[in-house]
Amino acid sequence: EPEVTQTPSHQVTQMGQEVILRCVPISNHLYFYWYRQILGQKVEFLVSFYNNEISEKSEIFDDQFSVERPDGSNFTLKIRSTKLEDSAMYFCASRGDGKLYQETQYFGPGTRLLVL
Amino acid sequence: RKEVEQDPGPFNVPEGATVAFNCTYSNSASQSFFWYRQDCRKEPKLLMSVYSSGNEDGRFTAQLNRASQYISLLIRDSKLSDSATYLCVAADTGRRALTFGSGTRLQVQP
Repeated sequence: EPEVTQTPSHQVTQMGQEVILRCVPISNHLYFYWYRQILGQKVEFLVSFYNNEISEKSEIFDDQFSVERPDGSNFTLKIRSTKLEDSAMYFCASRGDGKLYQETQYFGPGTRLLVL
Repeated sequence: RKEVEQDPGPFNVPEGATVAFNCTYSNSASQSFFWYRQDCRKEPKLLMSVYSSGNEDGRFTAQLNRASQYISLLIRDSKLSDSATYLCVAADTGRRALTFGSGTRLQVQP
């Protein structure tokens, strides 16, 4: 069964450093998402991406964040200058062609980011 | 603010019990609803979509009441493997970004 993959599984970084989290969505999917979950809290939407551009972003997704689909398979989330409060699990998700509004989003296993 | 609210639990039930979770959503524009399951430190996994007419998948039954903005999940004949956090999720038809509840923790005991 096709699945979303994410690398790395864990990342430890110093405050102020840049990190890039990588995702390989399911191959025929067209919509891509990043979510985050701070330990003990709910899953929160960050950004959605379709047709090579951001289609929506939340108030969390400020200028420190950016997303890119550099090739036909990868989807990346960059945090330019990490803060302590960026420590969280970051989930990538992808969805098919969206013709059915109940189309499922499939989540990757996540990258656990720890900012020291 | 668009919210999905759930009782955090935990619900501690014996094997074989029937347990029900409830959820309310505040955004009347929400059109799609789901129950996801999340095991500790793992990704959310779709348990089932929720349709207006209600739907059943084996031991799991989901109901939606649009007038009350209320969603439920019923689990019959609980198994030890059902122990997890159950996430109530809503999405606007156009927006598609998922809004998660904080989850209800279920612990099924032998």
